[in-house]
Amino acid sequence: QVQLVQSGAEVKKPGSSVKVSCKASGGTFSSYAISWVRQAPGQGLEWMGGIIPIFGTANYAQKFQGRVTITADESTSTAYMELSSLRSEDTAVYYCARDRLDIVVVPSYDPPDAFDIWGQGTMVTVSS
Amino acid sequence: QSALTQPASVSGSPGQSITISCTGTSSDVGGYNYVSWYQQHPGKAPKLMIYEVSNRPSGVSNRFSGSKSGNTASLTISGLQAEDEADYYCSSYTSSSTMFGGGTKLTVL
Repeated sequence: QVQLVQSGAEVKKPGSSVKVSCKASGGTFSSYAISWVRQAPGQGLEWMGGIIPIFGTANYAQKFQGRVTITADESTSTAYMELSSLRSEDTAVYYCARDRLDIVVVPSYDPPDAFDIWGQGTMVTVSS
Repeated sequence: QSALTQPASVSGSPGQSITISCTGTSSDVGGYNYVSWYQQHPGKAPKLMIYEVSNRPSGVSNRFSGSKSGNTASLTISGLQAEDEADYYCSSYTSSSTMFGGGTKLTVL
C-alpha cells in the first residue's frame, strides 16, 4: 500500500521561502498526479497545484501562480512544494495527496480526479 | 474562483440520515462528473469517501452515498453513527484544477 510521508514542521520569517517534501513508498510514483492542498487553522481545504512526475509539468491554482513551485524527483519518488514571499496568512498545514487514477492506465483523464492517499501534513508557521 | 458552497453545519441523531449539499456552477460541479467527498476528523488528514459523484472507494461503508443534480452535489449518510462526527468537504474538477467547498461540520447528537 502506497504511503506519502512528508517533511517536518517549519517556522519561517515573513518574506522567506519554504520547501516541503512528500516521499512515496510502497508503490508506483511516477504515473500518479500529486497535488498540494493546504488548510489554514480552523479553515477549509485549498488546492494549490499538482504535478504528474513522468511529465514533470505542474499546474497551479491561479491564486498561487508566481509564488509556488511544485516539482518531482522520480529517482527518489519525492514531490516538493516551494512557496515563496511568505506572509502570516500562509500559516497552515500543507498536505500532499495522490490522485486515484494512474495516467498510464487511464491516459484520457485530466487530473486532478480524487485524492485517495494523503500525506500526514506539514505545519508551516510564518511569524516574525 | 470562489469555493463551492456547503452548509456550515448539519446534525442528526444516531440511526438517522443526513444530507450535505455542495453547490457550484456549470463550470465545475454542473460541468463534470468529477465530484468527490472527503471526511476529516480533527487533527487528521482528509479521507476520500466518494469519487466521481457516486462511487465509494474500497473500504468505505455503504452508508455513504453521493448524487448530483445540475450544479448541486449531495452526500447522504444513512444510519448515523457516532464516528461519523467530522468535517466533510466536497470538491469538483474544473479546468485542470480542483476546488473545494468550505466544509460542513457534522454533529451526531
